[in-house]
Amino acid sequence: SQKIEQNSEALNIQEGKTATLTCNYTNYSPAYLQWYRQDPGRGPVFLLLIRENEKEKRKERLKVTFDTTLKQSLFHITASQPADSATYLCALFNAGKSTFGDGTTLTVKP
Amino acid sequence: NAGVTQTPKFRVLKTGQSMTLLCAQDMNHEYMYWYRQDPGMGLRLIHYSVGEGTTAKGEVPDGYNVSRLKKQNFLLGLESAAPSQTSVYFCASSYLTGEETQYFGPGTRLLVL
Repeated sequence: SQKIEQNSEALNIQEGKTATLTCNYTNYSPAYLQWYRQDPGRGPVFLLLIRENEKEKRKERLKVTFDTTLKQSLFHITASQPADSATYLCALFNAGKSTFGDGTTLTVKP
Repeated sequence: NAGVTQTPKFRVLKTGQSMTLLCAQDMNHEYMYWYRQDPGMGLRLIHYSVGEGTTAKGEVPDGYNVSRLKKQNFLLGLESAAPSQTSVYFCASSYLTGEETQYFGPGTRLLVL
């Protein structure tokens, strides 16, 4: 069966450092992969999309990589800030359906 | 634009009761989705719709029904609520599926006693 795994534990880093979140998948051939941010008590908010034929995507302090051979996506936040503290979800899409990972909770300490 | 709105924000039901959750979007999106999110877990797709008058099953459709009579509205019904349906329900919409951004509503917290 299809399976998506994100960092199994919460990630705590110091302000200014780079946060790296991992999304691994098995038994899946996604056409697209998206990353969302979710704050407590709120709905997810879209951050970035990367297609299967793209290796890397950037947006301001965010960078996403997509390795279909390793079946892995990495999500980087550079120069992290306390305001970046949230849960980050990866989502894979294929054949009209989406599958979300369980998310990784990031805490950036000042 | 209000984006995606959900009604109600919170509801408590007794086992066996029924209710309908309403999702509305004002972005003229074709696709709409209903997800549930349990504590510490990701979103699981319940049902989705690719256009007015059409619906399809997602990953966890049992115990739920949906209707899309108008393009801007997507209703999720629970015919006979069970404690296992205690969850936070999110609605989302997008122009297309997959490639396009999904815009999420604020969620409905449902407690079934």
